[in-house]
Amino acid sequence: DAGVTQSPTHLIKTRGQQVTLRCSPKSGHDTVSWYQQALGQGPQFIFQYYEEEERQRGNFPDRFSGHQFPNYSSELNVNALLLGDSALYLCASRWGQTNTEAFFGQGTRLTVV
Amino acid sequence: EDQVTQSPEALRLQEGESSSLNCSYTVSGLRGLFWYRQDPGKGPEFLFTLYSAGEEKEKERLKATLTKKESFLHITAPKPEDSATYLCAVPRGGSQGNLIFGKGTKLSVKP
Repeated sequence: DAGVTQSPTHLIKTRGQQVTLRCSPKSGHDTVSWYQQALGQGPQFIFQYYEEEERQRGNFPDRFSGHQFPNYSSELNVNALLLGDSALYLCASRWGQTNTEAFFGQGTRLTVV
Repeated sequence: EDQVTQSPEALRLQEGESSSLNCSYTVSGLRGLFWYRQDPGKGPEFLFTLYSAGEEKEKERLKATLTKKESFLHITAPKPEDSATYLCAVPRGGSQGNLIFGKGTKLSVKP
């Protein structure tokens, strides 16, 4: 059973550029959340998608947007990249809009130069 | 304000030296507390879910416990392979699935 998979694993972008990160949830999961983790910090919630709609959003600017597809996979888009956007971006999936455990992917390490 | 605080920030143990990690939380209406293990550069790996005070869960050398204000992760006779950062998280009050994480405890176990 494949767990949560993310692509790419590493990415280097220039300030001002745009980036798209991808996530395939664990089999049987339909809810996807995205988190940003800076070095030495815990993950910070960006937003959650369920039934192809953004259901919850954390304290992140509109430069961060996302999408969920009918097969439950998801994308995270970040526009106008800033140096401070450099972080590990994590995707987590779970079943339904519940507080059951979330399973995380291996993350995408984004470096903005 | 909903908050999760973990202590200590770092813990160095000798192999076989048991200890405990602490996670204190402030959230309106606890809907579960989650423990994760994270290796450097990797995503968090799920360990335990606790839902009510007094609940305990065990897995190999790890045991998690929960009270009304905090959770402990007890590590018995740790091995070097237990070295990792341990994160705890709770759902933000009134939300479903929006997890608030602590900064983690970085555990190093020396042989």
